[in-house]
Amino acid sequence: EAGVAQSPRYKIIEKRQSVAFWCNPISGHATLYWYQQILGQGPKLLIQFQNNGVVDDSQLPKDRFSAERLKGVDSTLKIQPAKLEDSAVYLCASSGGTSGGYNEQFFGPGTRLTVL
Amino acid sequence: GDSVTQMEGPVTLSEEAFLTINCTYTATGYPSLFWYVQYPGEGLQLLLKATKADDKGSNKGFEATYRKETTSFHLEKGSVQVSDSAVYFCALRDDKIIFGKGTRLHILP
Repeated sequence: EAGVAQSPRYKIIEKRQSVAFWCNPISGHATLYWYQQILGQGPKLLIQFQNNGVVDDSQLPKDRFSAERLKGVDSTLKIQPAKLEDSAVYLCASSGGTSGGYNEQFFGPGTRLTVL
Repeated sequence: GDSVTQMEGPVTLSEEAFLTINCTYTATGYPSLFWYVQYPGEGLQLLLKATKADDKGSNKGFEATYRKETTSFHLEKGSVQVSDSAVYFCALRDDKIIFGKGTRLHILP
């Protein structure tokens, strides 16, 4: 079974530029998550989708970050414009089943973003 | 709000040594508790979990017991191997998953 795919793996941009990350979850997984992991910190949830609807985006900086999950499969996370403090690894995860009860999250390899 | 505190690393041990990585939590509800592991160059993986008080999670020789009275979920392994070198994250899930900062473990041959 293929795992969670993310691209690109690495990205370097200058501040005020825009960037987009792509995630393809495990086939059949209804729930998709985006996390931000700053160096030396644990992952922090940015947004959670159930199919193509948003379940939780309370920690998403909506003035510059946006995410979508068209057709309830792939997802993109965009930052516009980027700031220095956005330098981090952006992790995508997916899980099967419904949001009630725990379903194991499977993580992708992440995209390492460096903002100069 | 909910939070997770785990011991700072890096932790360096010799092969076959006993491992403990401390983790404590604060939560308003009754969370589930997890340990995740991140091997070099790989994504986060669930190592073990416990969903209620006194539950013991175990996997790959690692164990952790959900202690409600001390709000702890310490990770232990009796004899570590070089292949256990990784970053370990303690986490809780109430309405969302909250991770600790991670503990880097180095095992020397």
